[in-house]
Amino acid sequence: SQTIHQWPATLVQPVGSPLSLECTVEGTSNPNLYWYRQAAGRGLQLLFYSVGIGQISSEVPQNLSASRPQDRQFILSSKKLLLSDSGFYLCAWDRGQNTEAFFGQGTRLTVV
Amino acid sequence: DQQVKQNSPSLSVQEGRISILNCDYTNSMFDYFLWYKKYPAEGPTFLISISSIKDKNEDGRFTVFLNKSAKHLSLHIVPSQPGDSAVYFCAASGSGNTPLVFGKGTRLSVIA
Repeated sequence: SQTIHQWPATLVQPVGSPLSLECTVEGTSNPNLYWYRQAAGRGLQLLFYSVGIGQISSEVPQNLSASRPQDRQFILSSKKLLLSDSGFYLCAWDRGQNTEAFFGQGTRLTVV
Repeated sequence: DQQVKQNSPSLSVQEGRISILNCDYTNSMFDYFLWYKKYPAEGPTFLISISSIKDKNEDGRFTVFLNKSAKHLSLHIVPSQPGDSAVYFCAASGSGNTPLVFGKGTRLSVIA
């Protein structure tokens, strides 16, 4: 069976510090991978998605970046965090067109 | 521009009664629709989906209805249970390998 791991579960970081959130998927190959952010009252906002190694599409311009160094690994990064980067970050995967996406447990990021 | 809209931020229903959650979309290229359920501090979990070639899909207590001409879908939960209390997200995707687009969610409270 397929599983998705996302860590850490919670993170408190000072403004200006770097960020690295990691997500890995097990039990499948060549998944589509996604990073979403849930901010209060704004639903699930798509940040990045990837259909293959090294292929990253950005949906929202910001100071975050994503990388996919391996088939089942997706990393969300920032060189310098802003207060506005606080939120609940979710990694997800799916098998492609017209399939359901499966989400990780999320990371609560608080920038102070 | 919000392509998937859930106009009711919250809904309160008595236990045993029917819960009806609504969702509207604007993009006529969407052909696959999903509902997700989310508890606080957890990732969303997939509930039920429907393809645009159907107008109804049922899974136990959950039924999704699709009205393509009105660009509207709804999720019916019957009978509603206290454990159904959560935020429900509507999502849609179009042809090709495109990411899911989510609504802002509706918070359902089932009162015992």
